[in-house]
Amino acid sequence: DSGVTQTPKHLITATGQRVTLRCSPRSGDLSVYWYQQSLDQGLQFLIQYYNGEERAKGNILERFSAQQFPDLHSELNLSSLELGDSALYFCASSVGTLNTEAFFGQGTRLTVV
Amino acid sequence: AQTVTQSQPEMSVQEAETVTLSCTYDTSENNYYLFWYKQPPSRQMILVIRQEAYKQQNATENRFSVNFQKAAKSFSLKISDSQLGDTAMYFCAACRGSGGGADGLTFGKGTHLIIQP
Repeated sequence: DSGVTQTPKHLITATGQRVTLRCSPRSGDLSVYWYQQSLDQGLQFLIQYYNGEERAKGNILERFSAQQFPDLHSELNLSSLELGDSALYFCASSVGTLNTEAFFGQGTRLTVV
Repeated sequence: AQTVTQSQPEMSVQEAETVTLSCTYDTSENNYYLFWYKQPPSRQMILVIRQEAYKQQNATENRFSVNFQKAAKSFSLKISDSQLGDTAMYFCAACRGSGGGADGLTFGKGTHLIIQP
């Protein structure tokens, strides 16, 4: 158990819908990272938050957004969902701003039908 | 930005054998980190080993060791005395290590390692 908690574990939704994925980082970690793992794109970095502020952006679509709350949990919002958004979404957390010591959650499996 | 290439989509070895997974990378950074992650069928991403680019000594973690060739931009993973539980996808990854900004990990496409009994 990495200490990073992601909910829900599985999510099935229809095209055009909006979903929210939630991540609770390890106790004491200030950074949260979101990654997407799909068959087409492999594993790719989406976005990072550090202590409530956006820190780095990767290949995140405009239809996707994220935020980190004062209690340091983070949410990834995916809207206008398309079939191609079906993927495993990982959250990782680290103490500082660098991803060198990040621990991954178990992921949320999103299926868009 | 970094790029990471894993040229072996799948490998299969017998239990107890030694296996080496290949990874090459490219980066313009002077300070960076390299990683090997294991993803078993449970889909959990597990950090296997980490190497800091400025350290010349190759990292080791029990049966896992790396061969870090900085000039060649090569970062291979050696698994000794392979076990059935080593069956998994293995991802090579890189990230920038310097301050003044942050970065996520850049992953390769992965190598599916199968340990045969």
